[in-house]
Amino acid sequence: AQSVTQLDSHVSVSEGTPVLLRCNYSSSYSPSLFWYVQHPNKGLQLLLKYTSAATLVKGINGFEAEFKKSETSFHLTKPSAHMSDAAEYFCVVSESRRNTGFQKLVFGTGTRLLVSP
Amino acid sequence: NAGVTQTPKFHILKIGQSMTLQCTQDMNHNYMYWYRQDPGMGLKLIYYSVGAGITDKGEVPNGYNVSRSTTEDFPLRLELAAPSQTSVYFCASSYYMDANTGELFFGEGSRLTVL
Repeated sequence: AQSVTQLDSHVSVSEGTPVLLRCNYSSSYSPSLFWYVQHPNKGLQLLLKYTSAATLVKGINGFEAEFKKSETSFHLTKPSAHMSDAAEYFCVVSESRRNTGFQKLVFGTGTRLLVSP
Repeated sequence: NAGVTQTPKFHILKIGQSMTLQCTQDMNHNYMYWYRQDPGMGLKLIYYSVGAGITDKGEVPNGYNVSRSTTEDFPLRLELAAPSQTSVYFCASSYYMDANTGELFFGEGSRLTVL
């Protein structure tokens, strides 16, 4: 079974400094990987996705992530944090369900990003 | 477009009561999903549907039922509520079944407390 591990439950940064949210995955074959963001009392929104094309993926709001197969990682970065980036971020891997073709999403436990002025 | 709409946003249930969480989407998506989110646990799939009249179990279906009579609506029913069902419930929809190509669109969640 595929899984993802988000290495930090909380990350605190100052506004204007870089953001790094770490994610490692486990997969028996080439995975598809996603980052979703959840603002307080809101639903999840797709930030970016990797589906075996370019290993450096750009998403919305200046975020990007790099797929590194040798390290089984898919870390999320942003050069300069904004106050509006404060939210919870989920790393997600897709998993095929045998005999149905259904692609199930397996969610990490989330990383809460705190941004101080 | 409203996207995915869930009601109610908050609800308190007594142990043993039943209730239905409503979910509707106006994007004409065939695929719909119910997840629950517990603190520090990520999201777990309860049930999903690939179209009107077709539903299937996810990872944690016990204590829940679903129906899909129309493309737009995918209600989740809790039977004989238990404290373990205290959670935040998210409904989502997607155009494609293949998560490799399609993204999920989420509602804002329904926070349920069972006392």
